[in-house]
Amino acid sequence: QSALTQPASVSGSPGQSITISCTGTSSDVGDYNSVSWYQQHPGKAPKLMIYDVSNRPSGVSNRFSGSKSDNTASLTISGLQAEDEADYYCNSYTSSSTYVFGTGTKVTVL
Amino acid sequence: QVQLVESGGGVVQPGRSLRLSCAASGFTFSSYTMHWVRQAPDKGLEWVAVISYDGSTKYYADSVKGRFTISRDSSKNTLYLEMNSLKAEDTAVYYCARRGESGSYRWLDPWGQGTLVTVSS
Repeated sequence: QSALTQPASVSGSPGQSITISCTGTSSDVGDYNSVSWYQQHPGKAPKLMIYDVSNRPSGVSNRFSGSKSDNTASLTISGLQAEDEADYYCNSYTSSSTYVFGTGTKVTVL
Repeated sequence: QVQLVESGGGVVQPGRSLRLSCAASGFTFSSYTMHWVRQAPDKGLEWVAVISYDGSTKYYADSVKGRFTISRDSSKNTLYLEMNSLKAEDTAVYYCARRGESGSYRWLDPWGQGTLVTVSS
């Protein structure tokens, strides 16, 4: 149950687009379309941003989008805003019927 | 509205036990798979355990298998996490979360506010 690999940090200027990668294996990300993404502001509980690779829950801005290719999932934030500054975590279901989170990415808005 | 409220956290000595609770409201608790997730201070999220809607199926992270037990009482709309043989590395904020409502159902929403467990002598 090794954590999925994410870049430690990603930054961008307001209005720009950034992409966060989430790399797993053929036993998790690569085998299931059950990748979700969570946003966490300091001291707060995580908030669902994307589910099942590319689905956006109601209430989440359409600036957030997700995709997947082979063993790597990605979260893209377009039109970056100051409020997007937070930690982001991916999560995947695994072939062991368990779940695994990514290592987390700190997004900084310059 | 859907709400999850954790309780039971606190300071506990290494090797001792602690039981966390998660009170659910605003939805039919007995119909939903539930999860526990933890976050050590200044660290990332770690999935801990999952229990099926009827309590018949449970899975655990390797780091807690054999020491933690997830359970539920649908008559009380409450999820539990019994933690035994606690170690310093179990120090974390513990969150409960509900499974997703559509698609694969393999996503977590909503989450509770978390309860802090500190394992220290």
